[in-house]
Amino acid sequence: QQPVQSPQAVILREGEDAVINCSSSKALYSVHWYRQKHGEAPVFLMILLKGGEQKGHEKISASFNEKKQQSSLYLTASQLSYSGTYFCGTGLLMNRDDKIIFGKGTRLHILP
Amino acid sequence: SQTIHQWPATLVQPVGSPLSLECTVEGTSNPNLYWYRQAAGRGLQLLFYSVGIGQISSEVPQNLSASRPQDRQFILSSKKLLLSDSGFYLCAWSAHREANYGYTFGSGTRLTVV
Repeated sequence: QQPVQSPQAVILREGEDAVINCSSSKALYSVHWYRQKHGEAPVFLMILLKGGEQKGHEKISASFNEKKQQSSLYLTASQLSYSGTYFCGTGLLMNRDDKIIFGKGTRLHILP
Repeated sequence: SQTIHQWPATLVQPVGSPLSLECTVEGTSNPNLYWYRQAAGRGLQLLFYSVGIGQISSEVPQNLSASRPQDRQFILSSKKLLLSDSGFYLCAWSAHREANYGYTFGSGTRLTVV
């Protein structure tokens, strides 16, 4: 039931692009994306709902392919502030009770 | 605006001692409330969630319990802590049944059981 994130970790230089993937074995109603800095609480980035959509947030955007039960987070022209661990959280279509299950996270480190 | 408060920020407790972590939300009513635990370098494990006063769903069987005595108050408890209970505990809320809202997390409690 836990979504699978890939890659587990990625190191980039400032200005490079990154893609983080999230896939589920179950039909999804929603996909959430969060970023957590070391020692801090996760911060909500965006949510994508069933219906297939793409959202943007500054230079961070995401897509949701409900047929493939997958979502991807795109970080373009990465900045040092983008460093952290990114989590996707999935809400299952079968129980739309606002409970989401998080993946294990993708650690992103941006080098100057 | 809505705010979430979680305390204490850090806690060191001996094995076998009781635990009580409190979380309160301001500026909203009838929120969904959640307790997550994060082991060092690990993901977020859902422990309990609540969609209303007195309504608690447990996700992981363990020696922890949760209660929601008031609409915007969520408490995580244990009668006897184990070493394995160490971790970073996070409370979160979301707007009730509003799927367009993400979760807002409290600042967390770092619990070390010694």
